[in-house]
Amino acid sequence: DAGVIQSPRHEVTEMGQEVTLRCKPISGHNSLFWYRQTMMRGLELLIYFNNNVPIDDSGMPEDRFSAKMPNASFSTLKIQPSEPRDSAVYFCASSPRTGVNTEAFFGQGTRLTVV
Amino acid sequence: AQKITQTQPGMFVQEKEAVTLDCTYDTSDPSYGLFWYKQPSSGEMIFLIYQGSYDQQNATEGRYSLNFQKARKSANLVISASQLGDSAMYFCAMRAVVDSNYQLIWGAGTKLIIKP
Repeated sequence: DAGVIQSPRHEVTEMGQEVTLRCKPISGHNSLFWYRQTMMRGLELLIYFNNNVPIDDSGMPEDRFSAKMPNASFSTLKIQPSEPRDSAVYFCASSPRTGVNTEAFFGQGTRLTVV
Repeated sequence: AQKITQTQPGMFVQEKEAVTLDCTYDTSDPSYGLFWYKQPSSGEMIFLIYQGSYDQQNATEGRYSLNFQKARKSANLVISASQLGDSAMYFCAMRAVVDSNYQLIWGAGTKLIIKP
């Protein structure tokens, strides 16, 4: 398996522009997570899906952020409009099942820079 | 509240020495899982080792072992015979039920630097 695939790997955009991050989870995994990592706040869970349904989006910072999972093999995280404080590494991760004994498999991350 | 605490922001260790990275956790649930991840400078998050709350024995994976002390609520990672390639950030995480959902709760991480 190719693992969790995220695109793009790097994104530089101007403030106010729309940004879309993409994620392909590992085939057969039924949970998908979006995380944001910054030096100041560490690793933050933004949202997670179970069987394509958003379960907890309490970590989504504000209305500028939205996430979708139209099918089991694809998810997007959109920021509109983007702001410099959104600059971070965004990780997508997937798990094969729910339960306390299930590790999350991470993608390579998308490094977003908003100027 | 569910919480993970890593008290060591950074550590320097001589190559070939053993390393212990501290992790304490807080949960009232009897069922939980504890995980360690490694994040090298390249940025990817790599799963290292897992320990279940009901496991009787400490988990081991190659040079990694988890020193699980349930009464103390600690789950320290031990790396034996450290190598230069072990230099990275290390995160402890706990999977537990939060508001009826299984979530991963993360520590702040420890930056480990192996000296030649």
